[in-house]
Amino acid sequence: DAGVIQSPRHEVTEMGQEVTLRCKPISGHNSLFWYRQTMMRGLELLIYFNNNVPIDDSGMPEDRFSAKMPNASFSTLKIQPSEPRDSAVYFCASSREKAFFGQGTRLTVV
Amino acid sequence: QQQVKQSPQSLIVQKGGISIINCAYENTAFDYFPWYQQFPGKGPALLIAIRPDVSEKKEGRFTISFNKSAKQFSLHIMDSQPGDSATYFCAATRGTSGSARQLTFGSGTQLTVLP
Repeated sequence: DAGVIQSPRHEVTEMGQEVTLRCKPISGHNSLFWYRQTMMRGLELLIYFNNNVPIDDSGMPEDRFSAKMPNASFSTLKIQPSEPRDSAVYFCASSREKAFFGQGTRLTVV
Repeated sequence: QQQVKQSPQSLIVQKGGISIINCAYENTAFDYFPWYQQFPGKGPALLIAIRPDVSEKKEGRFTISFNKSAKQFSLHIMDSQPGDSATYFCAATRGTSGSARQLTFGSGTQLTVLP
């Protein structure tokens, strides 16, 4: 198995632009998580899905953030409009019993 | 209630020494305590995990010690090697088998093992 696959690995965008991060979970995993990592706040859970259904999105910072999981093999995290304070590394993780993380997307908003 | 407190923030150990990282939790409903290892530019990777029904779990040079009454658990790295230099995160979660593992992470410990 290739593990959790995230794309792109790096994204640089201008403030106000829309950003879409993508994640392909490990086949057979029924839970998917989006985390954000910064030096100041560490690893923060943004949202998680169970069987493609959003269970808890209380970690989503504000309405500019949205996440979807249209099927068991794909999820997106969208930020619209992006702001410099959104700059961080965003991780997707999938789980059946144990959680496995992707390589992350380093987002820079200038 | 959901916090996991981790210490120290950074740790420097000589090659061959023992590295010890500590975590404390508040939520008594937590029933699964994994440790993750993260190298620069990589995602966190599951290292070892323990459930509260045992007081210790060992895998190779890595050992988790768990104290349920004190609500504390720690990671011991025996015979530390320069390749162990990474950031270590403790985490905790609750839920029955097969359910979503919504992890609450500690703040991380940056370990440096000197050659």
